[in-house]
Amino acid sequence: DAGVTQSPTHLIKTRGQQVTLRCSPKSGHDTVSWYQQALGQGPQFIFQYYEEEERQRGNFPDRFSGHQFPNYSSELNVNALLLGDSALYLCASSLGDRDQTQYFGPGTRLLVL
Amino acid sequence: DQQVKQNSPSLSVQEGRISILNCDYTNSMFDYFLWYKKYPAEGPTFLISISSIKDKNEDGRFTVFLNKSAKHLSLHIVPSQPGDSAVYFCAASAGRYYGNKLVFGAGTILRVKS
Repeated sequence: DAGVTQSPTHLIKTRGQQVTLRCSPKSGHDTVSWYQQALGQGPQFIFQYYEEEERQRGNFPDRFSGHQFPNYSSELNVNALLLGDSALYLCASSLGDRDQTQYFGPGTRLLVL
Repeated sequence: DQQVKQNSPSLSVQEGRISILNCDYTNSMFDYFLWYKKYPAEGPTFLISISSIKDKNEDGRFTVFLNKSAKHLSLHIVPSQPGDSAVYFCAASAGRYYGNKLVFGAGTILRVKS
């Protein structure tokens, strides 16, 4: 049973560029959430996707956008990258309202130079 | 606005003894609480959870206690093992009210000495 997978594992970009991160949820899960974890902090909620729609959003600017596909996989897009966007980006999957437990992937480490 | 707080940045425990990690929260809408363990270069791994209708949940060496009146929960690991050395995160959810998002504490680094 495959867990949550994310790609790529590492990424280096320069300021102003755009980036796309990808996530495949755990088998049977239909809800995907994205989190940003800065060094020394806990993960911060970016947004959640369910039935291909953004259901909830955290305190992140519109430069952060996402998408969920019919197979429940998801993408996180960040435009006009800033140095402060350097962080570990985590994807988590769950069973929507049926179970609040979220299972995390290994993350994508983004470095913005 | 830090709704979930882990006030101890680190904890050091001898192998075989009990590890107690603490977490406080402020939002009374939280109804589900989780503990995650994280190793460097890996994503958080789910350990154990507890619903607000309970005050204790056990899974093997891990027990979580919830004190709703004090808005406090704790994770007990007995006996502690060197492989338990990791960062532990407490997280809380308010269910559909907040769209099931998890609110995390800043984490506690646990070191288990052999």
